[in-house]
Amino acid sequence: DVKVTQSSRYLVKRTGEKVFLECVQDMDHENMFWYRQDPGLGLRLIYFSYDVKMKEKGDIPEGYSVSREKKERFSLILESASTNQTSMYLCASSGSGGYTFGSGTRLTVV
Amino acid sequence: ILNVEQSPQSLHVQEGDSTNFTCSFPSSNFYALHWYRWETAKSPEALFVMTLNGDEKKKGRISATLNTKEGYSYLYIKGSQPEDSATYLCARTAPRSQGNLIFGKGTKLSVKP
Repeated sequence: DVKVTQSSRYLVKRTGEKVFLECVQDMDHENMFWYRQDPGLGLRLIYFSYDVKMKEKGDIPEGYSVSREKKERFSLILESASTNQTSMYLCASSGSGGYTFGSGTRLTVV
Repeated sequence: ILNVEQSPQSLHVQEGDSTNFTCSFPSSNFYALHWYRWETAKSPEALFVMTLNGDEKKKGRISATLNTKEGYSYLYIKGSQPEDSATYLCARTAPRSQGNLIFGKGTKLSVKP
């Protein structure tokens, strides 16, 4: 069964902390994505990557960075967490069969 | 329409009711239209990928139609059940991309027993 695994289901961090959200896929997909989902706003693309060491900004990259050192792993980094980054974060990878999503990380910044 | 729009935003129906909701998208530079079902505490699950005008797809009690010329897709659920309660997301493949999806805000369906 193919999978996209996000390392944490729930996370609580303090304002100003550096936060790492990890995502791993086992499908050998080249494309990986990070979205955030907020009530009334739908899924918004933060960053995506087409290949190892490649990254592209999505629609709302401010306050975030990413790392793709290995094909199967795509990390989202909040350099200095702020309360407006409290959200549900979804990772996805895509291949010929479409998108596969992780189960999400609900991050609360206090 | 510049982006993907879904309506209604939320829907409450009784068990056994049939229901439908709408996804609107730009008709130009169309490549593919995707429907996902997202239950609370789970990953979004792919329902349909549709590419051809007039396409109709079915999965159990759920079906979808596609009109690429006028830029809309309908999702139908026949005889709704409580387990159909979820957010239904529509997305279009972004033009000139490597498969990036542009999502609508979703329709949240609640089915009361």
